[in-house]
Parts: sequence; C-alpha cells; structure tokens
Amino acid sequence: TQLLEQSPQFLSIQEGENLTVYCNSSSVFSSLQWYRQEPGEGPVLLVTVVTGGEVKKLKRLTFQFGDARKDSSLHITAAQTGDTGLYLCAGNYGQNFVFGPGTRLSVLP
Amino acid sequence: EAQVTQNPRYLITVTGKKLTVTCSQNMNHEYMSWYRQDPGLGLRQIYYSMNVEVTDKGDVPEGYKVSRKEKRNFPLILESPSPNQTSLYFCASAPASYGYTFGSGTRLTVV
Repeated sequence: TQLLEQSPQFLSIQEGENLTVYCNSSSVFSSLQWYRQEPGEGPVLLVTVVTGGEVKKLKRLTFQFGDARKDSSLHITAAQTGDTGLYLCAGNYGQNFVFGPGTRLSVLP
Repeated sequence: EAQVTQNPRYLITVTGKKLTVTCSQNMNHEYMSWYRQDPGLGLRQIYYSMNVEVTDKGDVPEGYKVSRKEKRNFPLILESPSPNQTSLYFCASAPASYGYTFGSGTRLTVV
C-alpha cells in the first residue's frame, strides 16, 4: 500500500496549456517535497513545503500544501516542452522519506 | 559545487561477483539513502543512514549491504548479485528533513 498516491499517473498536453497534478495521503507529513526527474537522471528537488496551507511559487510552477498536511498539488501555468518529465512527491514520515509513484508529464509542441 | 557523486555510472557484471557502488556527498548532510528504480515500481528505498555508524533497512534491503564509516561516504555493496538486482540505483543525501540531493544514478545489469 502506497503511503503517497499521485494523480494522474500520465498526462499529455499541448504547449501553453495549464495543468495540475496531485499528491494525496491519509497520513500527516511534517514536510513534503516535489521533484522532477528526466529519463536516466536523478530526481531534482523543486520545492519543500512545511506549513499547512503554504503556497510556494517557482516561476510558472505553484505548489500548495494542504491545510491538514496530508496532500499537495503542483500547478503549471502555460506548460512548455521543457516541463516534460516525471514529477514525484515525497514526504517526511517519521525519520524517513517516502515517495509517491509519480506523474509522467508530456508537453507536446 | 554541492553534489552527490556516484560511481560507476554504468556497470555490467555476472551473477555472484561481489561489487560496490560508491556514493560521496560534499554538503555535510547527516542523512543518506539508497534507492532503486524499476519501471512500474517507482523509487524503492534499500537502506538509509541518519548519521555515521547509524544505518537502517528500507523497503527492499535483501541482497544489499551498506556502511557509514564517514559522514560523506555511503557505499552500497552487493555481496552476490543476482539478475533481479538489475536496476537503476540512486544515492541521495539530505540535511535533516528538507529534501534530497540525488546522484546521477548507476545503471546496473547483472547477467
């Protein structure tokens, strides 16, 4: 059983469209991170959110941590082909990190 | 440059031949971890370490060993590799709870 669920599993959109991907759990996390991974490379940390209700922006990416610290969303505005990749969320669970299965995003030109 | 360095990047070996994948970080992070990534299974944690001489099993520790004798190094040892350990391996480090820095990965093939 996955501690973290991500949806959708796959997403294919046209360049310029907006999108939101979700990370959900029944557990409370002290912090949550989002990563982007390109094929054959290690995941790269995009953001860490720690406070319930927190919203962070990174250029066209907006991250939100749920009030109860059980879920998070990533919104991309005006997607570009360079946004293509696997988006992973991860949460602090006790003294460890747990990862979701990821959302694979394809942005088509 | 702050980084996690894994070596080798690619490795093909035969069943039963002991191997070590090295991992080193230059950020003075307490926390280090090894993951394997397989299609359809995502990232699965093998072992992690909270600090020097402190290691613990992750989700899939069978067939692997680790050691943490120095803060910067966290090697992954496969004493007797088998074909089901063919995978993409990542080492990662973190300062307490604030997100990992990952290495570039080691693609291991066991024949």
